[in-house]
Amino acid sequence: EDQVTQSPEALRLQEGESSSLNCSYTVSGLRGLFWYRQDPGKGPEFLFTLYSAGEEKEKERLKATLTKKESFLHITAPKPEDSATYLCAVRRDDKIIFGKGTRLHILP
Amino acid sequence: GAGVSQSPRYKVAKRGQDVALRCDPISGHVSLFWYQQALGQGPEFLTYFQNEAQLDKSGLPSDRFFAERPEGSVSTLKIQRTQQEDSAVYLCASSLYPGGARTDTQYFGPGTRLTVL
Repeated sequence: EDQVTQSPEALRLQEGESSSLNCSYTVSGLRGLFWYRQDPGKGPEFLFTLYSAGEEKEKERLKATLTKKESFLHITAPKPEDSATYLCAVRRDDKIIFGKGTRLHILP
Repeated sequence: GAGVSQSPRYKVAKRGQDVALRCDPISGHVSLFWYQQALGQGPEFLTYFQNEAQLDKSGLPSDRFFAERPEGSVSTLKIQRTQQEDSAVYLCASSLYPGGARTDTQYFGPGTRLTVL
């Protein structure tokens, strides 16, 4: 069965304290792994798509990497405005399967 | 440009009432998706349209849930005889390409929070 598991469920960091969020997946024939950011009361906001092991993408303080079994979202020197829930998802046929997300809180 | 919009943003219904939730996708987007998001969970797929055709409705939880996109643009998700377990945020997403396309990126609306009393 296709699954997406994110860890940790929640993470509190001091401003400037770098860390990584994990997304483990099992899917038949990966056709895209997605990272989204979701703020309270809003819909998910697209961040990255990764397609093959070894691929990396960056945006400001965020960098996403992909292996054959997992993806990491690295956050470098985070700021309070990076506080949000980060969702990982994989494509299965015409639909996207989401994990439960990691709630990230950056303390000033 | 304008993103995906949804209305109403909040809906309170008494158990047993019917509700209709609207989604306006990004203009020109071929694909439209509906998701249900319970508190503290990730979005869960409900149904998918390519233009006006509903190609996948495997995620609809019961026959009380019905979705349509008659002209290939605006979509409506209807829930009949609402139950308390229907309380959730209903998200709509659209993408430029047909679902499953390699370059398909889904863009989400703000969601409708449904509370069934």
